[in-house]
Amino acid sequence: GDSVTQMEGPVTLSEEAFLTINCTYTATGYPSLFWYVQYPGEGLQLLLKATKADDKGSNKGFEATYRKETTSFHLEKGSVQVSDSAVYFCALSASGGGADGLTFGKGTHLIIQP
Amino acid sequence: DAGVIQSPRHEVTEMGQEVTLRCKPISGHDYLFWYRQTMMRGLELLIYFNNNVPIDDSGMPEDRFSAKMPNASFSTLKIQPSEPRDSAVYFCASSPGGAGSVVYGYTFGSGTRLTVV
Repeated sequence: GDSVTQMEGPVTLSEEAFLTINCTYTATGYPSLFWYVQYPGEGLQLLLKATKADDKGSNKGFEATYRKETTSFHLEKGSVQVSDSAVYFCALSASGGGADGLTFGKGTHLIIQP
Repeated sequence: DAGVIQSPRHEVTEMGQEVTLRCKPISGHDYLFWYRQTMMRGLELLIYFNNNVPIDDSGMPEDRFSAKMPNASFSTLKIQPSEPRDSAVYFCASSPGGAGSVVYGYTFGSGTRLTVV
């Protein structure tokens, strides 16, 4: 079946450091890929998405590129802030349209220290 | 719109009791999803509805779990009888469906933290 694998956390960085959170997936067909973010005590929020190979999703300084050849969708940010501390989830939609339920990775807890 | 609204935010119950979790999706969203989040298993899709009709309940762990959506603005997830291993955070999410699900993503509620003692 479909699956998403993320790097284990927590990931602890200093403010202004470069961030990479790895994500790889297994799916048949051509899934859409997403990153969601969860702040403490809240539900998940869509951070960015990509629907086809070589697409780059971006939002709030975060970026991720859909790499079909390596089945990856790594999340990056050039300079993190304390406010970026949260749990980040990589997810896919096997149907591409997202209307059949998303498959999530287990999440990566990011801690940014001042 | 106030977003996806879940109640209660926290629920503590004794083993064997019935628990009902509630969700009000965003008006106009055709899809509603119930997820369970635990440290060990992460986020698991339990069931989802399209236009109030259950489409896939293969993620429901066992017969003790049931979900209904009597109308477009309300859904419940019921556990009867509850067990300590049901302790988790339960999320409800809604989406417009089709391309809208990709463009706007799913909108999640704040979750219900269930503790069964």
